[in-house]
Amino acid sequence: DTEVTQTPKHLVMGMTNKKSLKCEQHMGHRAMYWYKQKAKKPPELMFVYSYEKLSINESVPSRFSPECPNSSLLNLHLHALQPEDSALYLCASSQDSARGESETQYFGPGTRLLVL
Amino acid sequence: GIQVEQSPPDLILQEGANSTLRCNFSDSVNNLQWFHQNPWGQLINLFYIPSGTKQNGRLSATTVATERYSLLYISSSQTTDSGVYFCAVDPTRFSGGYNKLIFGAGTRLAVHP
Repeated sequence: DTEVTQTPKHLVMGMTNKKSLKCEQHMGHRAMYWYKQKAKKPPELMFVYSYEKLSINESVPSRFSPECPNSSLLNLHLHALQPEDSALYLCASSQDSARGESETQYFGPGTRLLVL
Repeated sequence: GIQVEQSPPDLILQEGANSTLRCNFSDSVNNLQWFHQNPWGQLINLFYIPSGTKQNGRLSATTVATERYSLLYISSSQTTDSGVYFCAVDPTRFSGGYNKLIFGAGTRLAVHP
């Protein structure tokens, strides 16, 4: 099973709202990722968690706050977003070990976010 | 940073045709993956191929790491092959338990019946 699930599928929020995106995997992967994808552009890395610790933050604004409560779950908390933050938010996971097939990243279906 | 260039940017095919998509990268890489993004946005992993050749059904891929390019071959294309094909690479020199994928701009493929 190579499934990564994400909820919700769609989200509309105002600029003063607080919302959260959820990502879950049960493949025993120890690295989890958040990507942002604008229309007709490639995905761009936002955050990486490895063994439940934040390993990479690609200079993402503080209105995006990631959280990794356990090895299977990854959240992205959203607060005071701007209309330009509207995008597809993708979660991915990979195994932790040394170089090889275990590096393969598997993606969830994404959450389409619209900020009004 | 590393540059990842994909060609062609757009491709229109009739069902049953074959095609070759190319990915050039400007530095050595430790991870290279090909993905297909369907019209609903789902990114589907096609190949993990930092070097060598792999085949999966009608799809195959070859990476020549020394010359810094990878090719994705699609044979007997079907309408369900439509979408965007991304090449993504990880240029980091060591594994910290994760990898950092840099995506190319993608090839947008439309297969017509």
